[in-house]
Amino acid sequence: DAGVIQSPRHEVTEMGQEVTLRCKPISGHDYLFWYRQTMMRGLELLIYFNNNVPIDDSGMPEDRFSAKMPNASFSTLKIQPSEPRDSAVYFCASSLLGGGQGTQYFGPGTRLLVL
Amino acid sequence: AQTVTQSQPEMSVQEAETVTLSCTYDTSENNYYLFWYKQPPSRQMILVIRQEAYKQQNATENRFSVNFQKAAKSFSLKISDSQLGDTAMYFCAFMKRRGGADGLTFGKGTHLIIQP
Repeated sequence: DAGVIQSPRHEVTEMGQEVTLRCKPISGHDYLFWYRQTMMRGLELLIYFNNNVPIDDSGMPEDRFSAKMPNASFSTLKIQPSEPRDSAVYFCASSLLGGGQGTQYFGPGTRLLVL
Repeated sequence: AQTVTQSQPEMSVQEAETVTLSCTYDTSENNYYLFWYKQPPSRQMILVIRQEAYKQQNATENRFSVNFQKAAKSFSLKISDSQLGDTAMYFCAFMKRRGGADGLTFGKGTHLIIQP
């Protein structure tokens, strides 16, 4: 069984560039979550989707961040333009409310460094 | 809004000892889930154990068990017969349940070191 897949695993970019992070959830899961982990703020929820529809984006830091889920097997998190303070590990997670009763399974994360 | 507090930034024990990690939370919700996740140096987030708030029985998974005190809003993790591979960051997390799922609210984590 494939778990949550994220790409790229590492990304180094320069300030002002556009960054796109990708996520493939576990097949059949109906929830998808994006989290960010930094030393200062810990793990924080950015946005989540249910059946491809954004439910809560109150954690998205600002308009430079956007997320989409065009279908059940793919989601993107885009930062445009990127800034050094966006440097963090970004996790995608998915869950199936009925069967797993809300347990979220995490991808390996994307480590982003903005210079 | 929910808050999760882990008061022990770091703990160190000898291999084979038993260790307890503390977690308290604050919420006005009555229906929710609590989780412990492990994050080894690889940074992968791994589910350790889950507890439904409506269940009075404490969850157990092999060497891992919890002490869930709903009235006190406390959710501690006990690791028995600790092993070197248990060395990791441990995060306590809360998820409210209102019909659907919700995002997780995490504590700041406890860095657990198992000494040989």
